[in-house]
Amino acid sequence: NAGVTQTPKFQVLKTGQSMTLQCAQDMNHEYMSWYRQDPGMGLRLIHYSVGAGITDQGEVPNGYNVSRSTTEDFPLRLLSAAPSQTSVYFCASSYSPPGGNYGYTFGSGTRLTVV
Amino acid sequence: QQQVKQSPQSLIVQKGGISIINCAYENTAFDYFPWYQQFPGKGPALLIAIRPDVSEKKEGRFTISFNKSAKQFSLHIMDSQPGDSATYFCAASRRIQGAQKLVFGQGTRLTINP
Repeated sequence: NAGVTQTPKFQVLKTGQSMTLQCAQDMNHEYMSWYRQDPGMGLRLIHYSVGAGITDQGEVPNGYNVSRSTTEDFPLRLLSAAPSQTSVYFCASSYSPPGGNYGYTFGSGTRLTVV
Repeated sequence: QQQVKQSPQSLIVQKGGISIINCAYENTAFDYFPWYQQFPGKGPALLIAIRPDVSEKKEGRFTISFNKSAKQFSLHIMDSQPGDSATYFCAASRRIQGAQKLVFGQGTRLTINP
C-alpha cells in the first residue's frame, strides 16, 4: 500500500550514541516533516522539508539533523542521544500546492528509548 | 508556548452519546484546521478538516464547529461508538514560504463505554 514507511519501529540507544531514523514515502509528496510525540504535549515539529534539497527547523530541532536528497526519503539523525530524546517519532508527508492546505499522511512511528 | 490549546485531556462517553472536544488558537494567520484520530501503536490519521470561512462541516457522525471571532473550534462525534475510542488531536496550520506548518493541540483520549 502507498504511504509513509518508517524504520525501525522500536529502538533502544545508550546515551551518546547516534542513529538515523528512516522515512520514505511513495506518493510523490513534496512536503515532509518529522514530529515527536510526548504524553500531554501533542506532536511537536522537529524539522521539515518543502522539497529535495530544502530543509528547515521546527519547534524542537536541537539534537537532530535532517537532509532531503530525494523526494522520497527524509531521514532524521540523532547526533548524540540523550534521555530527553526518549519519545515516539512520526514522519509525515503532504501534498501542498500553492494556495492550498491538505492533510498529512503519517507513518506508524518509531518508539525510541535512550538509557 | 502552546499555540493550540485542547480540552479535555481525557473524556469518557457512553455508547450512543455525543463526544465533544474543544480547541482554541491564538494566531489569526492560521487558515486550515484539521482533526486527527490516533489508535494505539498507529500514526495519526486525518479525520476531518475545516477552513475559517466556514462555520460548520459535517462528515457522517463527525462535525467540526468553527467560531472565528472567538478563535475556537470543536469536534462533535454523534452516536459515539466503542470503535471511536482513540486519541484525538486538533491542529492548525498556515503557509509560510510555501511550507504548510502544522501545530497540534495536546490531544484528548476518548473512551466510549459500551
